[in-house]
Amino acid sequence: AQKVTQAQTEISVVEKEDVTLDCVYETRDTTYYLFWYKQPPSGELVFLIRRNSFDEQNEISGRYSWNFQKSTSSFNFTITASQVVDSAVYFCALRIRAGNTPLVFGKGTRLSVIA
Amino acid sequence: DSGVTQTPKHLITATGQRVTLRCSPRSGDLSVYWYQQSLDQGLQFLIQYYNGEERAKGNILERFSAQQFPDLHSELNLSSLELGDSALYFCASSVARLAGGPTGELFFGEGSRLTVL
Repeated sequence: AQKVTQAQTEISVVEKEDVTLDCVYETRDTTYYLFWYKQPPSGELVFLIRRNSFDEQNEISGRYSWNFQKSTSSFNFTITASQVVDSAVYFCALRIRAGNTPLVFGKGTRLSVIA
Repeated sequence: DSGVTQTPKHLITATGQRVTLRCSPRSGDLSVYWYQQSLDQGLQFLIQYYNGEERAKGNILERFSAQQFPDLHSELNLSSLELGDSALYFCASSVARLAGGPTGELFFGEGSRLTVL
């Protein structure tokens, strides 16, 4: 079975600080996909990024960056120079390639950015 | 805007009642997924449909049922409602039945918030 653990339930930072959200996953499958979603106070789930298991290249998109390390089964998300608009709940999710498997989500990390 | 439309956005009802939540997937997407988000259980997968057929089942109660129609919209029916059914219900869609398409991600609607009193 697949499992995603986001150990940080809540994080609070001051605006302009960098913050890293941790995600650890478990799966026995060798081919899988990892995702991050953002859920702002308005409630919708916004897709941020997908990473394939065979692609460990890190990715940067503006102030966002992701560090995928298969050796530690981690897919961490860093926000640089955080802003108040980054305040949201962030979910890490996993889906294996085989079969009709849905996304398995972590419990989420609530990020509060204080002005 | 993800392109996935859910109605109603908010719903308040009483215990024992029945409600229907509706979802229109993104244009061209064949797969529809239903998730329940509650405070204590997080995001739980309920059920998946692909082109009208059930493809995967998660933690869906027997009191709940769903279907996907020929026009690909889907409905989630919740009956004999209990207080614990109060939650945010999300619908998501993706291109392929394995959610694997070109990229594999699911696109979520804004959710239907159900309150059972």
